[in-house]
Amino acid sequence: GIQVEQSPPDLILQEGANSTLRCNFSDSVNNLQWFHQNPWGQLINLFYIPSGTKQNGRLSATTVATERYSLLYISSSQTTDSGVYFCAVDSAGANSKLTFGKGITLSVRP
Amino acid sequence: GAGVSQTPSNKVTEKGKYVELRCDPISGHTALYWYRQSLGQGPEFLIYFQGTGAADDSGLPNDRFFAVRPEGSVSTLKIQRTERGDSAVYLCASSSITDTQYFGPGTRLTVL
Repeated sequence: GIQVEQSPPDLILQEGANSTLRCNFSDSVNNLQWFHQNPWGQLINLFYIPSGTKQNGRLSATTVATERYSLLYISSSQTTDSGVYFCAVDSAGANSKLTFGKGITLSVRP
Repeated sequence: GAGVSQTPSNKVTEKGKYVELRCDPISGHTALYWYRQSLGQGPEFLIYFQGTGAADDSGLPNDRFFAVRPEGSVSTLKIQRTERGDSAVYLCASSSITDTQYFGPGTRLTVL
C-alpha cells in the first residue's frame, strides 16, 4: 500500500515563529488532507489539498503531486497551534480509505 | 447534526466482554469510515461504508470485529470477546461526494 512519511517528527517553536511541516507519499493520490489533532484528541480538518496551494489565515499548504510531497506552513505560531499534525492520503479513488502518516508533534512555547 | 458524533466517549470493559460503539455521521453523507488510533500512532483504517454496504473491510483485524450501517446513516462497530490489545481510540469519519473526511471525537476503549 501507499506509504506516508512526515517530517520532522517533533518540532518546538517559540511563539511568533514560522514553521514548515513536510509530508512525502509513495504513490499518486486522489485525496490528501492535513489534520490538527488537539490535546483532547479531536482531528480537525485543515486542508483538503490533493494538488495546488491553499491558504486559510496563518496556515497555508502546497501539494506538488508530480513530486509526491505536500507542505504545511504555519506562520506567526501561537500556543494554540500545539498538538499533532497529520497528513493523510488516499490513492485508490474517490471516497476511499485514508492512510495516515505518524504525525508531527508541535509544541509552541510562550 | 453539525458534525460527526460518537457514543460513548469512553468505554471501559473487561477482557472477553462484547462492546458496541456508535457513530452518527454528518447528515446527508453517504460514506462512513471507521479508524482505530493507538497511543502515539496515526489512525489506521478499519472499514468503509458507501450507503448501507461495506465497500472495503480490509482493515478489520480479525473476525471479532464487525460493523453495520443498516439504514445508510448511523453505524455500529461491534467487538466480540474483547482483548487488552483492542484498547485504543476508535474514530468515525464521514464524507460526501467531495471526498473530504470529517472526523468525530472518538470513543476511547479500555479493556481491562
